[in-house]
Amino acid sequence: DIQMTQSPSSLSASVGDRVTITCRASQSISIYLNWYQQRPGKAPMLLIYAASNLQSAVPSRFSGSGSGTDFTLTISNLQPEDFATYYCQHSYSTPYTFGQGTKLDIK
Amino acid sequence: QVQLQQWGAGLLKPSETLSLTCAVHGGSFSAYYWTWIRQPPGKGLEWIGEINHRGSTNYNPSLKSRVTISVDTSKSQISLNLSSVTAADTAVYYCVRRMFSGYDQSHFDYWGQGTLVTVSS
Repeated sequence: DIQMTQSPSSLSASVGDRVTITCRASQSISIYLNWYQQRPGKAPMLLIYAASNLQSAVPSRFSGSGSGTDFTLTISNLQPEDFATYYCQHSYSTPYTFGQGTKLDIK
Repeated sequence: QVQLQQWGAGLLKPSETLSLTCAVHGGSFSAYYWTWIRQPPGKGLEWIGEINHRGSTNYNPSLKSRVTISVDTSKSQISLNLSSVTAADTAVYYCVRRMFSGYDQSHFDYWGQGTLVTVSS
């Protein structure tokens, strides 16, 4: 199985800040990498697919980059609704696996 | 608008079989893989397996011996059976659509509301 490792596991920030979350794959996965946001008690929501493509209706303050084994999710100008948990996920081969999550909370 | 409506028993005893069903409303049923993903309380996400309209399946090797995913195309429904459950199977189970992008990759774009299944004696 391909292992996905996110860092940090938790992160504190303020409204208006810019934050970056990193995801590393245990082997090269090209751009087969997606990012999701999960708010408490809700299903995850797709933010970014194929490493850098913004899902429809997702605000442009979210952006993704990377290829191979190293990827980043950047959130600019943090808004109150952005405080949530973020997961990366690879779609390179089955079984599809997720990172352990990064919890973003208010400083 | 695509909606995934899921249902099934929420409380099981150890050794019983978990059974969940997911109905797909809106959009094409045949163009996608339909997936089950679970999340233990306070923990991360685990891909269980998937099926397409032809009945072609892929399973997570860690669960393969206990999992069966089936499809009823006449009703646009998929089902999950997980046998011999233990407390470790306690989780929120999600029905999810796997969408193929133009980059020869895929992602999970529509999620059901989730069903909490608790295994307890």
